Amino acid sequence: SQTIHQWPATLVQPVGSPLSLECTVEGTSNPNLYWYRQAAGRGLQLLFYSVGIGQISSEVPQNLSASRPQDRQFILSSKKLLLSDSGFYLCAWITGSGSFLTGELFFGEGSRLTVL
Amino acid sequence: TQLLEQSPQFLSIQEGENLTVYCNSSSVFSSLQWYRQEPGEGPVLLVTVVTGGEVKKLKRLTFQFGDARKDSSLHITAAQPGDTGLYLCAGEQRSGYALNFGKGTSLLVTP
Repeated sequence: SQTIHQWPATLVQPVGSPLSLECTVEGTSNPNLYWYRQAAGRGLQLLFYSVGIGQISSEVPQNLSASRPQDRQFILSSKKLLLSDSGFYLCAWITGSGSFLTGELFFGEGSRLTVL
Repeated sequence: TQLLEQSPQFLSIQEGENLTVYCNSSSVFSSLQWYRQEPGEGPVLLVTVVTGGEVKKLKRLTFQFGDARKDSSLHITAAQPGDTGLYLCAGEQRSGYALNFGKGTSLLVTP
C-alpha cells in the first residue's frame, strides 16, 4: 500500500536559522509531489510542486526552496527562516494517474514549525 | 490566479441543525474537490465534482457543483459533533498539475 511520511513532526527554530523538512512516499513510482503551508487552521497555500526528479515549480516567491533528489523524496528548505515562515507544512502526493478528475491529494502527517 | 472564496469562515451550530457552506470563484474549474481536516492532521478528500449541475450525496452531506462550474456548495443535514472540522474546497489549476485551496469554513457542532 502507498504511504507518505514527513518529518520532523514539530520543530522550533530561531529566526535566521536554516530549515530542512523531508517527505518520502512509498508504494508508488513517479508521483506528483506537493508542499503546502497552512497558517493557524486556515486554508492551504501551495508552495511547490514536482512532477519528476529535479523538476520543481514554485508558486509563491519567498525564502523557501524545494528539491527532489529522488523519485519519492521531496525536501523543503530555507537558508534563513523568517517569523512569517511559522506554520503547518504539509507534503502530499496525488493518487491514481495524476488527474484530479479521478485522483485525490493524499497528505502526510504534517510538520509544525514555530519560528521565534 | 484562480481564487476560491469560502463562506462563512466560521460556523457554530447545535447538534441536529442543518447548514450550508459555499465555495465561489470567478474562474471556471474542470473539477472541484471538498476536503475535511481535523486539527493536527492533513485534509482528507470527501468528494470530487466534475459536471456542471452535478449533485453528489455522502450520507448526510450533499455536494453541488454550479451549472457554470464556478461555484460549489456543501449542505449538511442534522449535523453531529463528529462533523466538526475545517471544510476546504479546492480547484484544479489551469496547468492541471496542482490544486488551489480556499481558506476554509471552520465548523463547530456542539451537543
